[in-house]
Amino acid sequence: EIVLAQSPATLSLSPGERATLSCRASQSVNSYLAWYQQKPGQAPRLLIYDASKRATGIPARFSGSGSGTDFTLTISSLEPEDFAVYYCQQRSNWPLTFGGGTKVEIK
Amino acid sequence: QVQLVQSGAEVKKPGASVKVSCKASGYTFISYAMLWVRQAPGQRPEWMGWINIGNGNTKYSQKFQGRVTITRDTSASTAYMELGSLRSEDTAVYYCARDSRGGIAVPEYWGQGTLVTVSS
Repeated sequence: EIVLAQSPATLSLSPGERATLSCRASQSVNSYLAWYQQKPGQAPRLLIYDASKRATGIPARFSGSGSGTDFTLTISSLEPEDFAVYYCQQRSNWPLTFGGGTKVEIK
Repeated sequence: QVQLVQSGAEVKKPGASVKVSCKASGYTFISYAMLWVRQAPGQRPEWMGWINIGNGNTKYSQKFQGRVTITRDTSASTAYMELGSLRSEDTAVYYCARDSRGGIAVPEYWGQGTLVTVSS
C-alpha cells in the first residue's frame, strides 16, 4: 500500500502567518491527493482534492500544489479557525490511505 | 443540504459484531458512492470500504476483508457497515462519508461519527 508521510508533525504559528504543510508519498500518486482539516471531536472536512482543486465552500487562502510524490498545502494567512490537524489522503491505488497528520497550533 | 446521520454509540464485547447505520438526505442517494472510514483515538483516519450505492458493488480494505460488510437500503436512503469478530483494537469512531461526483473515492461529506467501544 502507498504510505503517506506528512511533515512537520507540528507547526507553531501565529494568526496572519503563512502555513506550509508537506505530504510525501512512497510512490507516485499522480495528482490523486486530497487534504482534510480536522478539529477535535469533529469529522474531517475536505479542503483540496486532486492536488489543487478546492472543495465547495473552501476559502481561497487554502491552496494545494504538487504531483507525483511531493505535495504541499499552503494556508496563505492563518485565521483563528484554521488551527487544527491536517491530513493528506491518496486515491491513486486501493487501499485508500491517509498521512499521519500535521497539527497547526497557535504559537 | 447534504446530511449524513449515523446511529448512536455502541459498547460491544470482544468477539461480537456491530452494525452502524448512516441515513442520507439532501441529495439523490443512488447517485453517489459511500465510504466508511474509522479513526482510533489519536490516530490517522483509516479507510475500511466503499460501496456503489447504485448497483451495490463494494470494495474493501484487505485489512478488514472477511470481517466487514457494507450494504445499503435504497428505499430508506441508508447505508450500513457491519464489523464482526470485534477486538479491543477496533475501538474507534466510525464515519460514513459520501463520495464526490463520479465515485472518485474522495469523501466530500461526512457523518457525525459513531463511537464503537470494544471492552470485556
